[in-house]
Amino acid sequence: RKEVEQDPGPFNVPEGATVAFNCTYSNSASQSFFWYRQDCRKEPKLLMSVYSSGNEDGRFTAQLNRASQYISLLIRDSKLSDSATYLCVVNTLDSNYQLIWGAGTKLIIKP
Amino acid sequence: EADIYQTPRYLVIGTGKKITLECSQTMGHDKMYWYQQDPGMELHLIHYSYGVNSTEKGDLSSESTVSRIRTEHFPLTLESARPSHTSQYLCASSEFQGLYFGPGTRLTVT
Repeated sequence: RKEVEQDPGPFNVPEGATVAFNCTYSNSASQSFFWYRQDCRKEPKLLMSVYSSGNEDGRFTAQLNRASQYISLLIRDSKLSDSATYLCVVNTLDSNYQLIWGAGTKLIIKP
Repeated sequence: EADIYQTPRYLVIGTGKKITLECSQTMGHDKMYWYQQDPGMELHLIHYSYGVNSTEKGDLSSESTVSRIRTEHFPLTLESARPSHTSQYLCASSEFQGLYFGPGTRLTVT
């Protein structure tokens, strides 16, 4: 079992819809959580950190569920420009503070 | 916008050649990383550094070396390139939380 798992998708979603996807992690000692966005053939870019209380940045909401060991990303009013791969990243104390990357969820927003 | 640079952006080279991929950042970050990523696949950590004169191996480090003589510079060297090294190489740096990536070097070994 992978340490960080994501549904690879692709998620095909009409423009304007709300889409959510989860990321599960196996190590209960995980400390920090992030969502990155990666466009095709580009480098990953930090989208948002995920805080215990949940956090929101415009149309994006990230939540953490420590009991069930998953984080989620919700995108409201999706735009064509939201099409990308969304990577879940977990920072675990046990692995010497190294970041463990999920393989990503591909999102395609259709007009 | 992050200030982290990689050169070359694209490199096509023959088998057996020694190559060095350059990475530099102007943010004064202590932590730097090298990742390898094939198209549509996940990132794999090759090497990382927590500061000057600190280097550690990641998952795929056995065929490459790094050095960290200056805070801003973290070059990656492949002693003898092979076709299996064909991939995208991404350099990143961080201070507290979150990584900032360079644009990557797309390497093709023929």
